[in-house]
Amino acid sequence: DTGVSQDPRHKITKRGQNVTFRCDPISEHNRLYWYRQTLGQGPEFLTYFQNEAQLEKSRLLSDRFSAERPKGSFSTLEIQRTEQGDSAMYLCASSLDKGGEQYFGPGTRLTVT
Amino acid sequence: GESVGLHLPTLSVQEGDNSIINCAYSNSASDYFIWYKQESGKGPQFIIDIRSNMDKRQGQRVTVLLNKTVKHLSLQIAATQPGDSAVYFCAENRKGAQKLVFGQGTRLTINP
Repeated sequence: DTGVSQDPRHKITKRGQNVTFRCDPISEHNRLYWYRQTLGQGPEFLTYFQNEAQLEKSRLLSDRFSAERPKGSFSTLEIQRTEQGDSAMYLCASSLDKGGEQYFGPGTRLTVT
Repeated sequence: GESVGLHLPTLSVQEGDNSIINCAYSNSASDYFIWYKQESGKGPQFIIDIRSNMDKRQGQRVTVLLNKTVKHLSLQIAATQPGDSAVYFCAENRKGAQKLVFGQGTRLTINP
């Protein structure tokens, strides 16, 4: 499968713990995006990378969130000191160029208890 | 405020009928619109897109119409099938921006 992949698919954690998610984009795509989706809502933009550079961050991305794309390939999204309000589906997408079609991965569903 | 929204949260149609899902947007600077389909437990799947210099685009069983005068976007699905049951989102890419802005979604149910 050459699509966007995400790992893990599901994560249950206790409030206060740190979690890290991984996204592997389509191999030739230089742009990578993170979105968050809560139940019944559309995805909301969190941040995006062009190659290894993080070029935009949403105000939704609090200080507890950090994203990296160290070699311009896979990306990680870390949430520190998780809160119940962080429970959501975290989606990764990638695209080939500016304004290009964004392909989404299956998402990581986070549940904070 | 600026938003991309959908008129109806749910839509039910009989299998074989055509369906139309609507979307309104408010930012006249938007130049690219996309329809995504999302099945339960999966990420959004690209269906069709349209740029602001077009008013219609057709794909396989799907047609997107863009009316810039009234800032309205629609997705027509012809001869619906059970596999078309999903939540459909319109999304907007504003000129010069990288992120997609999504609406809330319409749940389409195909009745046998």
